[in-house]
Amino acid sequence: DAGVIQSPRHEVTEMGQEVTLRCKPISGHNSLFWYRQTMMRGLELLIYFNNNVPIDDSGMPEDRFSAKMPNASFSTLKIQPSEPRDSAVYFCASSWGQTDTQYFGPGTRLTVL
Amino acid sequence: GENVEQHPSTLSVQEGDSAVIKCTYSDSASNYFPWYKQELGKGPQLIIDIRSNVGEKKDQRIAVTLNKTAKHFSLHITETQPEDSAVYFCAAPGDWDYKLSFGAGTTVTVRA
Repeated sequence: DAGVIQSPRHEVTEMGQEVTLRCKPISGHNSLFWYRQTMMRGLELLIYFNNNVPIDDSGMPEDRFSAKMPNASFSTLKIQPSEPRDSAVYFCASSWGQTDTQYFGPGTRLTVL
Repeated sequence: GENVEQHPSTLSVQEGDSAVIKCTYSDSASNYFPWYKQELGKGPQLIIDIRSNVGEKKDQRIAVTLNKTAKHFSLHITETQPEDSAVYFCAAPGDWDYKLSFGAGTTVTVRA
């Protein structure tokens, strides 16, 4: 049974470029989360979707960050323009319901030069 | 929002010994406490969780205890093995049940 799938696994880009991270949640899960992990701030929730609708985006750091979930099996996190301080590991997680176990994907390691 | 503190930040144990990691939380309304294990280059994986209606839960070599009065919960790993080496995170929900606040993590090293 496939878990949460993320792509790409690694992304290296230059400052000012647009970056798009992709996530496929576990089939049947109706809650999707985007997290960012850094040494300084640990694991932070960026945005939470329920039934494809953004419920809480209070963790999105700036207007440069945006996320979409066009259907139950796909979500994107976009950074435009990217900056060196955006370098981090970005995780997508999904769960059956908002209070159920969150299953994490393998993450995308983003490096912005 | 929820504030979760985790100790220690690093823990080195001899293979076969026990490891204990402790977390405290601030929001009295929190009722779900998961523990995640993260290996190098991978995402966090749930290893055990506990809800507020029980004080202890065990799954083979791992156990979690919860003290709601003192607002702390602990992870216990017995008979540690080299494959237990990883970073462990505790978490607790904050303003909303979906909004997990994670501890800073404990890097566990099991010495062979």
